Amino acid sequence: ETGVTQTPRHLVMGMTNKKSLKCEQHLGHNAMYWYKQSAKKPLELMFVYSLEERVENNSVPSRFSPECPNSSHLFLHLHTLQPEDSALYLCASSQGDWTQTRYTDTQYFGPGTRLTVL
Amino acid sequence: DAKTTQPPSMDCAEGRAANLPCNHSTISGNEYVYWYRQIHSQGPQYIIHGLKNNETNEMASLIITEDRKSSTLILPHATLRDTAVYYCIVRVASHSGGSNYKLTFGKGTLLTVNP
Repeated sequence: ETGVTQTPRHLVMGMTNKKSLKCEQHLGHNAMYWYKQSAKKPLELMFVYSLEERVENNSVPSRFSPECPNSSHLFLHLHTLQPEDSALYLCASSQGDWTQTRYTDTQYFGPGTRLTVL
Repeated sequence: DAKTTQPPSMDCAEGRAANLPCNHSTISGNEYVYWYRQIHSQGPQYIIHGLKNNETNEMASLIITEDRKSSTLILPHATLRDTAVYYCIVRVASHSGGSNYKLTFGKGTLLTVNP
């Protein structure tokens, strides 16, 4: 397996369910991200983990709970979601590094989990 | 991060070069130009990035003007699979003081490659 993988690819859940999204990166990166992409809206950054510590939380409701047990894995635990939370949830990873001509901390994205909340 | 302006859509014939423009007239000296693309309902795919110099990789070339106020992404031989929304993003790298992890995606350019 290469790059960034996400499971499940599709998820339908009721408002009272609890589910988790999983992300795994096989790139040896030290930072991982959760983004949300709603229909016809730009990508929204939700959480950032750097070296397994949460470094950014962009005012995300507490019904979304991230977990980063190690540098390769990232989870998003979901509970009591609302229909407006239906969206494509994307995971990304990055590693800051210098090359001869420039610094790079490029974020590489997974395929996403399409979530539908009924 | 500096704001970018891209045309909402472009067409290109298969096999021809696709040249996608981006204006970023308020870019500051420590901001990089990144290009991503997103094929419908898939995760964004990194294409290329640069600071001042032109860059080339196996996917594309990036031409940045000398004043850095605009750039052009070039796909040398477009294929049908290159049909996607292309995003031009300018951002400060995360090493430049403070944390700057956010990628701000605008509306991008829908490139349609026609047979």
